[in-house]
Amino acid sequence: GAGVSQTPSNKVTEKGKYVELRCDPISGHTALYWYRQSLGQGPEFLIYFQGTGAADDSGLPNDRFFAVRPEGSVSTLKIQRTERGDSAVYLCASSPRLVEQFFGPGTRLTVL
Amino acid sequence: AQSVTQPDIHITVSEGASLELRCNYSYGATPYLFWYVQSPGQGLQLLLKYFSGDTLVQGIKGFEAEFKRSQSSFNLRKPSVHWSDAAEYFCAVGDNAGNNRKLIWGLGTSLAVNP
Repeated sequence: GAGVSQTPSNKVTEKGKYVELRCDPISGHTALYWYRQSLGQGPEFLIYFQGTGAADDSGLPNDRFFAVRPEGSVSTLKIQRTERGDSAVYLCASSPRLVEQFFGPGTRLTVL
Repeated sequence: AQSVTQPDIHITVSEGASLELRCNYSYGATPYLFWYVQSPGQGLQLLLKYFSGDTLVQGIKGFEAEFKRSQSSFNLRKPSVHWSDAAEYFCAVGDNAGNNRKLIWGLGTSLAVNP
């Protein structure tokens, strides 16, 4: 079956701009996670959804970052007033019944 | 706080040689433990997981890992490495105490395979 998909695969933007990153989870997976991976690092947790609600957003670095999952399926990670330090690969994962997580290919964000 | 340590940043082995990648974790209870592999341009792929039961777990691609509670370790092994195993390997621990299964990750070990 189809895996987790993320769009776009690459996004280049200028400092100060707004970006949206999209994640389509595996059908039927109720849990959805966002992580951020900087070069040479392991993924870093950002936010977790159970259904439509954000159950844990403790990993969001500041209030420029926001994520939604309005219908309990597709999720969008939104970054306002982007900074060069936001450059990273943003990973999305979905999970059935809070067991292992299945990852998408990621979106590489570059802020110039 | 939970943490994961992968002591080896980079390892090089010859094709056909055995492999062991180290992982140590810090967690108050019995954790959920995972090994993922990430190839260039590819997403993270789950190799194997430990939740409970038999402490020696088998995964895909001929990998296995052993959970040792006394050493807080979950080392990944493969008896004979193939050139296609060259990739980045990540160990992760999941919080099984509550509803959130967010993963805490090590920094990864980069594996190079010599022909």
